[in-house]
Amino acid sequence: EIVLTQSPGTLSLSPGERATLSCRASQSVSSSYLAWYQQKPGQTPRLLIYGASSRATGIPDRFSGSGSGTDFTLTISRLEPEDFAVYYCQQYSSSPFTFGPGTKVDVK
Amino acid sequence: EVQLVESGGGLVQPGGSLRLSCAASGFTFSSYWMHWVRQAPGKGLVWVSRINSDGTTTSYADSVKGRFTISRDNAKNTLYLQMNSLRAEDTAVYYCAVATSAYWGQGTLVTVSS
Repeated sequence: EIVLTQSPGTLSLSPGERATLSCRASQSVSSSYLAWYQQKPGQTPRLLIYGASSRATGIPDRFSGSGSGTDFTLTISRLEPEDFAVYYCQQYSSSPFTFGPGTKVDVK
Repeated sequence: EVQLVESGGGLVQPGGSLRLSCAASGFTFSSYWMHWVRQAPGKGLVWVSRINSDGTTTSYADSVKGRFTISRDNAKNTLYLQMNSLRAEDTAVYYCAVATSAYWGQGTLVTVSS
């Protein structure tokens, strides 16, 4: 089973700042089958990034994904008020298709 | 418009069973792999199970293997999750989702408690 570790657990930032979220896998995620989701309280998860770096339809270009192998990063270039949420990475390279524990981005 | 509507959740005693359904519309259901994902209250997302487009290949998280069964009826555009031998730790909102996509249902709450 591929275990995903996300860091930091909580990121406290101000609107306009840059956010860098890390997702590390216990073994290589083949073909960069890594996705990022955003979830706000009481809402369904929203797909942001798939294939490690491809933005999903309608996702603003301030969100970008990068990485390969075991190290992946989600970057939010300038935080907007609506970006404060929990972010999860998920690998869909091999079953079980595990999620990371999440990074909460909150207002400093 | 893509819609995924889960149903079948509720309160069940430990050891009991429930069958969740996910009615799909607005896309060619029979062409897509489907997943179940759950989220315990206040906790993170946990992948539960996956089924391929024609229902011939399935996979499960270790925590539910042997107790849960995923299936689908492409004629009815419906995904299922049969849950047996339920435990308190299965308490969660269960979401159906099109594989690695923006399309998720709103979820159905399963509570396992005596």
